[in-house]
Amino acid sequence: GAGVSQSPSNKVTEKGKDVELRCDPISGHTALYWYRQSLGQGLEFLIYFQGNSAPDKSGLPSDRFSAERTGGSVSTLTIQRTQQEDSAVYLCASSLWANYGYTFGSGTRLTVV
Amino acid sequence: GQQVMQIPQYQHVQEGEDFTTYCNSSTTLSNIQWYKQRPGGHPVFLIQLVKSGEVKKQKRLTFQFGEAKKNSSLHITATQTTDVGTYFCAAYTGNQFYFGTGTSLTVIP
Repeated sequence: GAGVSQSPSNKVTEKGKDVELRCDPISGHTALYWYRQSLGQGLEFLIYFQGNSAPDKSGLPSDRFSAERTGGSVSTLTIQRTQQEDSAVYLCASSLWANYGYTFGSGTRLTVV
Repeated sequence: GQQVMQIPQYQHVQEGEDFTTYCNSSTTLSNIQWYKQRPGGHPVFLIQLVKSGEVKKQKRLTFQFGEAKKNSSLHITATQTTDVGTYFCAAYTGNQFYFGTGTSLTVIP
């Protein structure tokens, strides 16, 4: 597609439930990133994919968070047993290669109630 | 880990005034990027600087990379209401870009 597509755009879930967030990067972009942004805050790095492998998982906040990327394309971020502090906008970005400008998706606004 | 400090955190200017945000690192950077995020939107890539002392211009925006490659600045001349948003610098760490805390710009008409 022309841009980075994220779904759903909004997600409200009950505390303790699992959620899956999807990112469809720009075709041909080898690098894919997940960031988290709380209201009025900066961008918190979560994980980076080069192809299907994740060389850097250092930003994942806890073992409740996991991510995968298949076919060098679509990525899924899964949060298990959601907590209220997980509420944030989850942004996905892709780039041609690692050291290049990012194109961000519109994000998924997650609210845990 | 990479520490990139951005100042100021907030800036209010009258329309027509100039605006500058600064990004500082304790370590030498290989390159630096700048992004703009409109209220309610997502970050949009503006530019990448790579060379020591590099200066690039985009209309009213001037981007500069320090000689020591430890700091960078974004200067907007004669701000307009369309410049409203948060400006982030991002420093490459070897795997991904580490984003600064951002400067939120408000332009008063």
